[in-house]
Amino acid sequence: GNSVTQMEGPVTLSEEAFLTINCTYTATGYPSLFWYVQYPGEGLQLLLKATKADDKGSNKGFEATYRKETTSFHLEKGSVQVSDSAVYFCALSEEEAAGNKLTFGGGTRVLVKP
Amino acid sequence: GAGVSQSPSNKVTEKGKDVELRCDPISGHTALYWYRQSLGQGLEFLIYFQGNSAPDKSGLPSDRFSAERTGGSVSTLTIQRTQQEDSAVYLCASSPWGGITDTQYFGPGTRLTVL
Repeated sequence: GNSVTQMEGPVTLSEEAFLTINCTYTATGYPSLFWYVQYPGEGLQLLLKATKADDKGSNKGFEATYRKETTSFHLEKGSVQVSDSAVYFCALSEEEAAGNKLTFGGGTRVLVKP
Repeated sequence: GAGVSQSPSNKVTEKGKDVELRCDPISGHTALYWYRQSLGQGLEFLIYFQGNSAPDKSGLPSDRFSAERTGGSVSTLTIQRTQQEDSAVYLCASSPWGGITDTQYFGPGTRLTVL
């Protein structure tokens, strides 16, 4: 079956540091890939997505490139802010017989200190 | 516009009781999903509705769990004879067409605590 593996946290950074969260996946076909973010006290929201190989998703200074050859979708941001403190989830969606549920990684908690 | 709404936001119940959780998807979205977020299991898919098609129930953990979607809109997740391991945050999401490139929009969740 499908699976998503992402680095365990927590990741603690200083403001303006570079952030990378690794994500790799296993899928039988050609999935779409997503990063969702959960800010403290808030619900899950889409951060960015990529729907085919070599696509780059970007939003709020975050970027991730869909790498089919390495089955990866690593999240990066060049200069983090305190407001980026959140839990980040990598996920994939692949059409199956009766639906296209999201399969999530375990989540990575990021704490940015001033 | 309005997002996905869920009620109640919190539910505390005693072991063995039945509970009903409600989800109002974004108007016009044909696909609706239920997930569960718990400390031990992370985010797990439970059930998926697409239009008038039969739901995909492959993620339901036991026959104590069931869900309905009435009129292609509101959905109710029912847990019968609740157990302590059912304690979790239950998330509902909707998407426009249910395609694999669709963004799923999540509600704020219902936190269920089974005593």
